[in-house]
Amino acid sequence: AQTVTQSQPEMSVQEAETVTLSCTYDTSENNYYLFWYKQPPSRQMILVIRQEAYKQQNATENRFSVNFQKAAKSFSLKISDSQLGDTAMYFCAFMKHTSGTYKYIFGTGTRLKVLA
Amino acid sequence: DTGVSQDPRHKITKRGQNVTFRCDPISEHNRLYWYRQTLGQGPEFLTYFQNEAQLEKSRLLSDRFSAERPKGSFSTLEIQRTEQGDSAMYLCASSLGDRESSGANVLTFGAGSRLTVL
Repeated sequence: AQTVTQSQPEMSVQEAETVTLSCTYDTSENNYYLFWYKQPPSRQMILVIRQEAYKQQNATENRFSVNFQKAAKSFSLKISDSQLGDTAMYFCAFMKHTSGTYKYIFGTGTRLKVLA
Repeated sequence: DTGVSQDPRHKITKRGQNVTFRCDPISEHNRLYWYRQTLGQGPEFLTYFQNEAQLEKSRLLSDRFSAERPKGSFSTLEIQRTEQGDSAMYLCASSLGDRESSGANVLTFGAGSRLTVL
């Protein structure tokens, strides 16, 4: 069974600094997607960034980038120039697409607090 | 399209009562998912549909839970004989399963339906 592990329950970072959130996953699949989702306090979950496993190039979205290490099954999120609005729960997610099913597995999350 | 809508946003019920939640996905999305989230935890998979077909259901889901997606449009999640352990946020999400689309396979979440069982 696939699992997603986020080993940092809580993190904090000073405004304008850089922070990296870690995520590891376990799978025997070769084709899959990885995601980082953000859930601000009392607000709905939104996509931060997506990575397709067959792409070697790390995905980037403005201040957000990932370090995807397929062999190590690692998928960390780097937030540059942190802003107060980045304060949220961050969830790493894995999606496999084999045998006609498309199921998403989420980690337990990392609570990030950006300090002024 | 205004995104994924869930109703009601909050539901307080007494133990033993039945509750039903509704989810209206983004209209062109063919996949619809239900997740449960408790405080400080990640979303836990419950079930998902591709069009009107329920393709997978979590083994953790008891027989008291049932979901439908008639005609591949909106979906309902019903919990019968609620228990205090059912108290959680129930999240609905939808996605477009199209490899050619730039937004393919990205889950769009609703705001959730919070259930409190007294």
